[in-house]
Amino acid sequence: DAKTTQPTSMDCAEGRAANLPCNHSTISGNEYVYWYRQIHSQGPQYIIHGLKNNETNEMASLIITEDRKSSTLILPHATLRDTAVYYCIVRVEGDYKLSFGAGTTVTVRA
Amino acid sequence: DGGITQSPKYLFRKEGQNVTLSCEQNLNHDAMYWYRQDPGQGLRLIYYSQIVNDFQKGDIAEGYSVSREKKESFPLTVTSAQKNPTAFYLCASSQAYSTGELFFGEGSRLTVL
Repeated sequence: DAKTTQPTSMDCAEGRAANLPCNHSTISGNEYVYWYRQIHSQGPQYIIHGLKNNETNEMASLIITEDRKSSTLILPHATLRDTAVYYCIVRVEGDYKLSFGAGTTVTVRA
Repeated sequence: DGGITQSPKYLFRKEGQNVTLSCEQNLNHDAMYWYRQDPGQGLRLIYYSQIVNDFQKGDIAEGYSVSREKKESFPLTVTSAQKNPTAFYLCASSQAYSTGELFFGEGSRLTVL
């Protein structure tokens, strides 16, 4: 049962911001939004997570809409090394089951 | 260096053979996980363990078995009962009662000949 919906793929230009959308219209009040990415044939890497406030770290920013039904991951200055599959996941804090969908394949082009 | 070590990185097996994939972590994490990934697909949860000597089935546990005798180790056995075992297997760990950041190993690629 998919809790999130992401585009299958997207391209972006090197040096530009990449905005990755995610819909989670059935999110519960106690569910967090997580983003991971997976570079080809490697293990996924945690990027960022949030509950309702916007969050920023050294890798990305997470913008969550006020109704929490969707979010956007922003990579501020995409590089070729950001080419990866990006997963948006919703999860209740303390729930050990983390389910990954198919994600968005992001290709950064020079 | 703290992290998760999976071995072997590549493994070939004949049909009907059991094979065990190793996963070791030195992050002092309580929880450990095994995921399976098929080409072009997301990750599917096989088993997870919150504490030593305890583990739960994930979404696709049939044909797999695990043990958690030590905090740092969570081996996965792919048995002959698994009908389509060729896949990329990923082990992960996290702190108990955490906000959910999982740390992943580099994966083991199993091919059944």
